[in-house]
Amino acid sequence: VVMTQSPLSLPVTLGQPASISCRSSQSLVYSDGNTYLNWFQQRPGQSPRRLIYKVSNRDSGVPDRFSGSGSGTDFTLKISRVEAEDVGIYYCVQATHWPPITFGQGTRLEIK
Amino acid sequence: EVQLVESGGGLVQPGGSLRLSCAASGFTFSSYEMNWVRQAPGKGLEWVSYISSSGSSIYYADSVKGRFTISRDNAKNSLYLQMSSLRAEDTAVYYCVRDPYYFDYWGQGTLVTVSS
Repeated sequence: VVMTQSPLSLPVTLGQPASISCRSSQSLVYSDGNTYLNWFQQRPGQSPRRLIYKVSNRDSGVPDRFSGSGSGTDFTLKISRVEAEDVGIYYCVQATHWPPITFGQGTRLEIK
Repeated sequence: EVQLVESGGGLVQPGGSLRLSCAASGFTFSSYEMNWVRQAPGKGLEWVSYISSSGSSIYYADSVKGRFTISRDNAKNSLYLQMSSLRAEDTAVYYCVRDPYYFDYWGQGTLVTVSS
């Protein structure tokens, strides 16, 4: 399954919203009814950190300005108001059809 | 607190071998499937290998199949990646990651550099 993110670079003004798209080459609905599409944030010099699991479930400690949505082959990560600490690279990853588990190319968010 | 601590990275010549380890703590290691994920310098994330909780089921990315071997020792709460016939393109930070469906916990990574 090929995961395609857009945009690959995302300059955003502080306090403004941001949106990242992730599209898969086939539906990510698993036979158990779940959709194993997760979102990760990687801040500079750090390990990736999961933000969202199964499309729209926010991890503990993740600010509520982050939200995930979508279904089938089309998914979105939204940040309602970008803060300076949100700078980094964001990845979607699918674990419905594997092996292999596949990642999107990453979207680099920077402050304009 | 869940912790995954990788070790064993370093500089190795092309064609050489290296064994990575991941020490797990803070959870029942023997109950969890585990993975290795890597990231080449300045590049994105690439899934490398998976092992089931018992070790009976194993998968590899095509890019490492036949050269890398994943294993685990549940008595020692440890995950391993034996890497052989290393190539320049294997240069990356290697992360130990819990659970293939959720990737919920990551280690800090260990850097492998393949260069002469």
